[in-house]
Amino acid sequence: GNSVTQMEGPVTLSEEAFLTINCTYTATGYPSLFWYVQYPGEGLQLLLKATKADDKGSNKGFEATYRKETTSFHLEKGSVQVSDSAVYFCALIPSGSARQLTFGSGTQLTVLP
Amino acid sequence: DTAVSQTPKYLVTQMGNDKSIKCEQNLGHDTMYWYKQDSKKFLKIMFSYNNKELIINETVPNRFSPKSPDKAHLNLHINSLELGDSAVYFCASSQDADRGGYTFGSGTRLTVV
Repeated sequence: GNSVTQMEGPVTLSEEAFLTINCTYTATGYPSLFWYVQYPGEGLQLLLKATKADDKGSNKGFEATYRKETTSFHLEKGSVQVSDSAVYFCALIPSGSARQLTFGSGTQLTVLP
Repeated sequence: DTAVSQTPKYLVTQMGNDKSIKCEQNLGHDTMYWYKQDSKKFLKIMFSYNNKELIINETVPNRFSPKSPDKAHLNLHINSLELGDSAVYFCASSQDADRGGYTFGSGTRLTVV
């Protein structure tokens, strides 16, 4: 079946530190890949996406590259801010007729001033 | 101009009661979903409707019944509430999900006492 594995949290960083949250997936074919962010007390917002191999999704200083050879979609940001504190979810939608969004377990990020 | 709106935002109720959560989207999307987020932030799909027809029905107790009066609405009715139903429930919608992902509502925090 389809699944997403994210690095365990929580992750605590100082402001301006470099962020990496690892994400790997299992799926047949070529799924579409997503990162969602959930700020405290809010719903999920789409952060970035990539729909084919070698695509790079980017938004708000965050980046992730779709790596088919390593089945990965790691999230990175060069300099985090306190306002980036949130839970980050990696997710996929498989190719084919099903359009079910499958999430990883989420990674809690706390950025300290 | 909320894209996906859920009501109520908070719901506290006693065991054994019946309750409903409403969801509406004004994006013109064809597909709507209900997800459950547990206390560890894990997200699991419950139901999916496409143009008022049920297309995904995961292993969810029969006490949960979705109802879609039209493609802009997907309500969730829960009978005989149990303590284990306490969670945050998210409604979402999509169109061309593999390109654009899903748009989520802000969630309904259900507490069963």
